Amino acid sequence: DQQVKQNSPSLSVQEGRISILNCDYTNSMFDYFLWYKKYPAEGPTFLISISSIKDKNEDGRFTVFLNKSAKHLSLHIVPSQPGDSAVYFCAASAGSGNTGKLIFGQGTTLQVKP
Amino acid sequence: GAVVSQHPSRVICKSGTSVKIECRSLDFQATTMFWYRQFPKQSLMLMATSNEGSKATYEQGVEKDKFLINHASLTLSTLTVTSAHPEDSSFYICSANTKTAFEAFFGQGTRLTVV
Repeated sequence: DQQVKQNSPSLSVQEGRISILNCDYTNSMFDYFLWYKKYPAEGPTFLISISSIKDKNEDGRFTVFLNKSAKHLSLHIVPSQPGDSAVYFCAASAGSGNTGKLIFGQGTTLQVKP
Repeated sequence: GAVVSQHPSRVICKSGTSVKIECRSLDFQATTMFWYRQFPKQSLMLMATSNEGSKATYEQGVEKDKFLINHASLTLSTLTVTSAHPEDSSFYICSANTKTAFEAFFGQGTRLTVV
């Protein structure tokens, strides 16, 4: 039972354009969502997060949008840069003081072309 | 951000032997650490929650006698893969939280190959 889903395994965008990565979840108990970036043979690096009490969080070029009614969140990267090329994982937590326990999506490989 | 160090980064072992992987929080104390496993082109799957001073909590389907977890101090958790088999070959990653941050910080991961 995949509670967090990233239905697009890959995405290719041109440098300078917007990258939109999508994530859906099924568990209504999730109250905290995170995006991680990962390079091969390395651990994930935290990018940005959002609490379920918000619908948007912005940090520089990265913005995460949360639509609770649709159980959907997305990560926008604008402008996209070649260095953004990596695998992006969406993760969710049910909180309650145990937010380190994360449920991950399958990941989306982003390629930003120069 | 906080630093989590994992060692070794890569290990090759023979079938039947045991391998120990260390996860250290370098600049903070972590009462709870988490161990994940990633197969090629797949998601990170939570294996267990490592609790300082008490037994680990394993996710469904993870054999606790095969994947021994010890969290002896506030900065160190170890995962021992016992009697390793080729199907245990995978990428193992640990994570930890600081008390004030919601986001988990990950180690660099360990690539285990059992031959």
